[in-house]
Amino acid sequence: EAQVTQNPRYLITVTGKKLTVTCSQNMNHEYMSWYRQDPGLGLRQIYYSMNVEVTDKGDVPEGYKVSRKEKRNFPLILESPSPNQTSLYFCASSVPGREKLFFGSGTQLSVL
Amino acid sequence: ILNVEQSPQSLHVQEGDSTNFTCSFPSSNFYALHWYRWETAKSPEALFVMTLNGDEKKKGRISATLNTKEGYSYLYIKGSQPEDSATYLCAFKPAGGGNKLTFGTGTQLKVEL
Repeated sequence: EAQVTQNPRYLITVTGKKLTVTCSQNMNHEYMSWYRQDPGLGLRQIYYSMNVEVTDKGDVPEGYKVSRKEKRNFPLILESPSPNQTSLYFCASSVPGREKLFFGSGTQLSVL
Repeated sequence: ILNVEQSPQSLHVQEGDSTNFTCSFPSSNFYALHWYRWETAKSPEALFVMTLNGDEKKKGRISATLNTKEGYSYLYIKGSQPEDSATYLCAFKPAGGGNKLTFGTGTQLKVEL
């Protein structure tokens, strides 16, 4: 089954404790991206990747890192999480161009 | 950051009503306009990707139109059903935008019996 797998689904952590949210897709998609969703705001892009070893900042990259060592995986790293990073996070993938995005199931992160 | 606006913010309709909502986006440098349906506790799912001025797309009771010259797209739902209750998101991709999509804040639709 074609899918984007995101883990964990829920995460509660404390300020400053490094964490990684994993994202994996089995559709051989070149393009992958991370978004955050906050009340009253649209999905905002954090980082995206056009292919292996090619990543670029989205609209809200501060406080986040990503890597794309393999085509299928695109982890999101919070080196020192802060409470303002409490949010719902989505990973998505697609074929670059005019193709639709496939979304993961989301990660609800709470930073205390 | 590009300005993508959706209206109304929320909408309550009765089962069987037809409804529509709007997505406004920059009229210059158009590449594509996406519509997604996002049910509570699930992931957004793509409805349409529209690329040409005048495009009309249809999926069951849901259809969409696109006007790139004036920068808007309409989403229509005919004969709304309770299972249509969801947030409907549009996303704009400009030409030369490096595959960045800018999302609107969504229209939350609730269909009541």
